[in-house]
Amino acid sequence: DTEVTQTPKHLVMGMTNKKSLKCEQHMGHRAMYWYKQKAKKPPELMFVYSYEKLSINESVPSRFSPECPNSSLLNLHLHALQPEDSALYLCASSQDRVQPQHFGDGTRLSIL
Amino acid sequence: SQQGEEDPQALSIQEGENATMNCSYKTSINNLQWYRQNSGRGLVHLILIRSNEREKHSGRLRVTLDTSKKSSSLLITASRAADTASYFCATDASGTYKYIFGTGTRLKVLA
Repeated sequence: DTEVTQTPKHLVMGMTNKKSLKCEQHMGHRAMYWYKQKAKKPPELMFVYSYEKLSINESVPSRFSPECPNSSLLNLHLHALQPEDSALYLCASSQDRVQPQHFGDGTRLSIL
Repeated sequence: SQQGEEDPQALSIQEGENATMNCSYKTSINNLQWYRQNSGRGLVHLILIRSNEREKHSGRLRVTLDTSKKSSSLLITASRAADTASYFCATDASGTYKYIFGTGTRLKVLA
């Protein structure tokens, strides 16, 4: 069991759909991350929230919209995605920038 | 690209043997971390080594860091079938929250 919980585990959506990925942690961590991972590739950073404020946006297309409602929750809103957006989306959290990151098991996203 | 390189890309060994994987990176770092990822799962943190440290141990894991060569190695001793996974190094970029993951080593331990 991981300490970072991601829902749903699997998601299939059409290119015109709107959906959201959710991530929750109760470790009191102040930094939360979204990563995208393609098969047999390393995770690629998308967004970082620090103290509930967006700290890093790695030039991610606007069809991905992050939200941090409070210190325990992180959402990723999806709209008008492309087939190449199909991937494993990982959420992580850490106490601060020099501490290890704790990862959830990810949401496997398929765009039809 | 700032991405680190890991070698080998894939490694297959017998149970009980040692496994060594290497990571090279391009920029100055504050720390380097190693993670393991089992198929279809999230990453699990293994060990963190700071830039002023040269070697660190944790159980069957030994990590070295050579900042002059911008490289690190992860040694897993007495490997087990359960060690079968992908292993990634990750380096921080300019003291920010951004960590760059290496290309990864896929380890298979045969029983």
